[in-house]
Formats: sequence, C-alpha cells, structure tokens
Amino acid sequence: DIQMTQSPSTLSASVGDRVTITCRASQSINRWLAWYQQKPGKAPKLLIHKASSLQSGVSRSFSGSASGTEFTLTITSLQPDDFATYYCQQYDTYPWTFGQGTKVEIK
Amino acid sequence: EVQLVESGGGLIQPGGSLRLSCAASGFLARGYHMTWLRQAPGKRLEWVSATHSGGTTYYAESVKGRFTISRDNSKNTVYLQMNSLRAEDTAIYSCARVVPDDSGWIPFDYWGQGVLVTVSS
Repeated sequence: DIQMTQSPSTLSASVGDRVTITCRASQSINRWLAWYQQKPGKAPKLLIHKASSLQSGVSRSFSGSASGTEFTLTITSLQPDDFATYYCQQYDTYPWTFGQGTKVEIK
Repeated sequence: EVQLVESGGGLIQPGGSLRLSCAASGFLARGYHMTWLRQAPGKRLEWVSATHSGGTTYYAESVKGRFTISRDNSKNTVYLQMNSLRAEDTAIYSCARVVPDDSGWIPFDYWGQGVLVTVSS
C-alpha cells in the first residue's frame, strides 16, 4: 500500500497567518492527490484534487502544489472557519490511502 | 441537490452481519464510482471499498472476503454487506462519490453523514 505521511500533526496558528501542511507519498502517485478539511462530527470537505486543482466553491485562500512525491497545502490567510483537521489522500492506486491528519488549532 | 444518506448501522456482536445502505439523490449513482470509507475513533480515514460505474469492485485487504459492495440502480442506492464482523471494524462508515472526469477522477466530492457501526459483545 502507498503510505501517506503528513506533517506536522498539529499546528498552532493565528487568524491571518499563512499556513503550510506537507504530505509525502511513499512512492510516485502522479499528482493524484486530494486535500480535505474535516470539522468535528462532520463529513470531510474536498478542497483540492489532482494536487493543485481547486474544487468548485472552495475559497481561493486554499492552494496546493506538488514536487515529486511531496505535496503541500497552503492557506494564505487563516480565517476563523479554517480551524479544522486536514487530510491528504492519494487516489493513484488502490487501496486509496489517507494521511494521518493535521489539526490546525488556534494559537 | 446532491445528497447521500446512509442507514443500517448499529451495535452487533463479533461474527455478526450488517448491511449498510447509501441512498443517493440529486444525481444518478450509476454514472459515478461509489465508495465506502470508515473512520474509527481517533484514527485516520480509511478507504474500504469501491464500485465503479462499469461494475468493477475493489476492497481493502482488511475487509476482503468479508464485505461485499453492490448497487441497485433502480433504487439509486449502494450497499455494503458486512459479514464476520470484528471489533476492529468498529467505526463510522460513510459513503462518498467519485466523479469520472475528462482528466481522471475527482474523488469524494460529496459524502454522506455517516453511520456508526459498533462491534462488541
């Protein structure tokens, strides 16, 4: 199985901060990577697919990038509604796998 | 409006069976790949099974031979038959759709609210 490793596991930030979350795949996934935001008790929300394509209706403050097997989710200016847990997920090869999550907390 | 509504969860003894349903509305599920995922308390999201629009099915190794995914296009519903349940299958189970796209797939753009499956004696 392809292992997805996110860092950091927890991130403390303030409103207005620029935030970066990294996800590393254990092998090539050809940019078939998605990012999700999940709030407690809610279903995950798709933010980014194909590494850098913004899902329809998602704020442009979210962006994704890729370099080889390393992927990055950036939030340019953290808003109160952005405090949540973020997951990366590869969909290159079954079984599709997720990172362990990054919790973005209020500093 | 696209909606996915799961049902069928509950408390079941180890070795028992449950069938989960995922009723889709606002779109025709037969044109999409449909997927079951789960999340155990404090654990990362886990992909469980998928049924492609062409009929091919896929399973996580941990459920292969015990779980069966199927769909009833006349009811616009996807099912997950879970047999020989184990304590480690305890989780919130959600269905989600995958959109076939010109350049590939768009994964999990819509999710259900999830149902809790608890396997315990």
